Amino acid sequence: QKEVEQNSGPLSVPEGAIASLNCTYSDRVSQSFFWYRQYSGKSPELIMSIYSNGDKEDGRFTAQLNKASQYVSLLIRDSQPSDSATYLCAVNPPSGAGSYQLTFGKGTKLSVIP
Amino acid sequence: GAVVSQHPSWVICKSGTSVKIECRSLDFQATTMFWYRQFPKQSLMLMATSNEGSKATYEQGVEKDKFLINHASLTLSTLTVTSAHPEDSSFYICSARLEGRNNQPQHFGDGTRLSIL
Repeated sequence: QKEVEQNSGPLSVPEGAIASLNCTYSDRVSQSFFWYRQYSGKSPELIMSIYSNGDKEDGRFTAQLNKASQYVSLLIRDSQPSDSATYLCAVNPPSGAGSYQLTFGKGTKLSVIP
Repeated sequence: GAVVSQHPSWVICKSGTSVKIECRSLDFQATTMFWYRQFPKQSLMLMATSNEGSKATYEQGVEKDKFLINHASLTLSTLTVTSAHPEDSSFYICSARLEGRNNQPQHFGDGTRLSIL
């Protein structure tokens, strides 16, 4: 069974600090990895995609992928109270899997303390 | 780009009513859309995969006759909750993915909060 594991948190960081969110996945042949942010009472919003090993930066966000370790992370620099949300890690099966479903982790709740 | 519109945002209705929720891809075509349900403080649960021009694929434990899905065009999928009861009260969210490559993400609608009295 394909699984995506995240620490449920809550993860509390002070404003201005770096928040580090981690995710591991079980399907070794997974190819696509996504981070979604979900504010309370709202639907998920895509914030990062990563497909190859290494780092990918977009503004204050950096996604890191290590396929050998089956590990993907999200770093948020200069954390702001508006970053307080639940962050969902999602993994896409390899090409040919058919339905293009994403496997979601249960999410990590981040609280940025002013 | 990749905007998904979901309507309505809120529904409050009496037990026994059927409720239809629409999911539209506004600026792209989507042969595949997804319907999720989320209870308070819980994770997303995939209910079904909606396929344009064919039957939806339901996840284990989801009643096909209760949650009717129709995907009649490349930009519209509908979910009808038939004879809704209070236990069906939840946050229903649809998503769609861009076509072409397998590694495209899903883009979510704003969700529909359903309350059955």
